[in-house]
Amino acid sequence: QKEVEQNSGPLSVPEGAIASLNCTYSDRGSQSFFWYRQYSGKSPELIMSIYSNGDKEDGRFTAQLNKASQYVSLLIRDSQPSDSATYLCAVNPPSAQKLVFGQGTRLTINP
Amino acid sequence: SQTIHQWPATLVQPVGSPLSLECTVEGTSNPNLYWYRQAAGRGLQLLFYSVGIGQISSEVPQNLSASRPQDRQFILSSKKLLLSDSGFYLCAWTQTSVYNEQFFGPGTRLTVL
Repeated sequence: QKEVEQNSGPLSVPEGAIASLNCTYSDRGSQSFFWYRQYSGKSPELIMSIYSNGDKEDGRFTAQLNKASQYVSLLIRDSQPSDSATYLCAVNPPSAQKLVFGQGTRLTINP
Repeated sequence: SQTIHQWPATLVQPVGSPLSLECTVEGTSNPNLYWYRQAAGRGLQLLFYSVGIGQISSEVPQNLSASRPQDRQFILSSKKLLLSDSGFYLCAWTQTSVYNEQFFGPGTRLTVL
């Protein structure tokens, strides 16, 4: 089992709809969880961090964490064509000075 | 505010040639520093990380090496490049904390011919 798994994609969503991106992780003791957005040819950009169970909202983005289920998700409301990118889930395993990244989910928002 | 620089932005090198990529961070002290590689259409592969000057942890055996000669400088090197070394090289930093939020530099795109 991979340490961090994301839905394989690609994911295609119509403009204005909600895009839902999912991520599961294997190390139950993990404490920090991140979502990065990577446009084609560019470096990853941190868009959301979440550390406790529940929802965290920032503008059109909502991160959801369920530690019991070892599940993290990112919801993008009112999806825009500019949201088209690859989204990377990252997890900080316990006692580790590094992040473990999923393979990423490519999201396309169709006008 | 903190900024991270990488150079060069792009590089085309022949097989067997040496490599030196540099990463520097401004506006912080004693950061943790990371080198990643991303092959075309693939995920991020952690190559090395450093928690302090002269301290290097290697994640994958390969013909690359890393050094940290100064607090905010991280260098990735190779004595002889292979075709498989082509990719997008990313440097990242984090302020030492329990959360380990990482921030990436702009990257270096390396093509080995």
